[in-house]
Amino acid sequence: SYELTQPPSVSVSPGQTASITCSGDKLGDKYVCWYQQKPGQSPMLVIYQDTRRPSGIPERFSGSNSGKTATLTISGTQAMDEADYYCQAWDSSTWVFGGGTKLTVL
Amino acid sequence: QLQLQESGPGLVKPSETLSLTCTVSGGSISSSSYYWGWIRQPPGKGLQWIGSMYYTGTTYYNPSLKSRVTISVDASKSQFSLKLSSVTAADTAVYYCARDPANGHGNNYFDLWGRGALVTVSS
Repeated sequence: SYELTQPPSVSVSPGQTASITCSGDKLGDKYVCWYQQKPGQSPMLVIYQDTRRPSGIPERFSGSNSGKTATLTISGTQAMDEADYYCQAWDSSTWVFGGGTKLTVL
Repeated sequence: QLQLQESGPGLVKPSETLSLTCTVSGGSISSSSYYWGWIRQPPGKGLQWIGSMYYTGTTYYNPSLKSRVTISVDASKSQFSLKLSSVTAADTAVYYCARDPANGHGNNYFDLWGRGALVTVSS
């Protein structure tokens, strides 16, 4: 079965750029999306189709996907961005989630 | 505005069947080409896809759960349901229902989620 790997944690200072990676075999050939989940809340889609932002998602959230790695980038990170982030892709009629990354804004 | 709401027992005994329903309000569950999915999250852990159903009724299941999972739809009630049999403590989780816009070509993602329902498996 297909697997997506994320770092367990990433730390960033306020105002700096945070990068969260997601890796998988030939991931660049697939579409990747990203979800943000804050404590006690449902996941929320922040990036889909590798690079697209849903309505209402701030421009500081961006995505890329090439080769074996997809990256979620948060520019000018704010305290409110502290959350768990999950990547997800689709492979052979299955929806696959990465293990999640806890973003800490120090 | 479309909303999803999970409902069902919050406590299930080991070896029994977990049953949850997702009610879709503000729109029809069968009039558009969406996938409707179930995802779970054990306490303190990550997201696990359980299964999805296309609006035509075709189902797709996580291979690791396939032998125990059934997803079905009741279009007349704008509901779709999850049944997970032979549950153990490892099935204790928050269960979410969600919508996938089915854009095709592997461009699958969940753009709308329910608030989640905690199901505890315990005697």
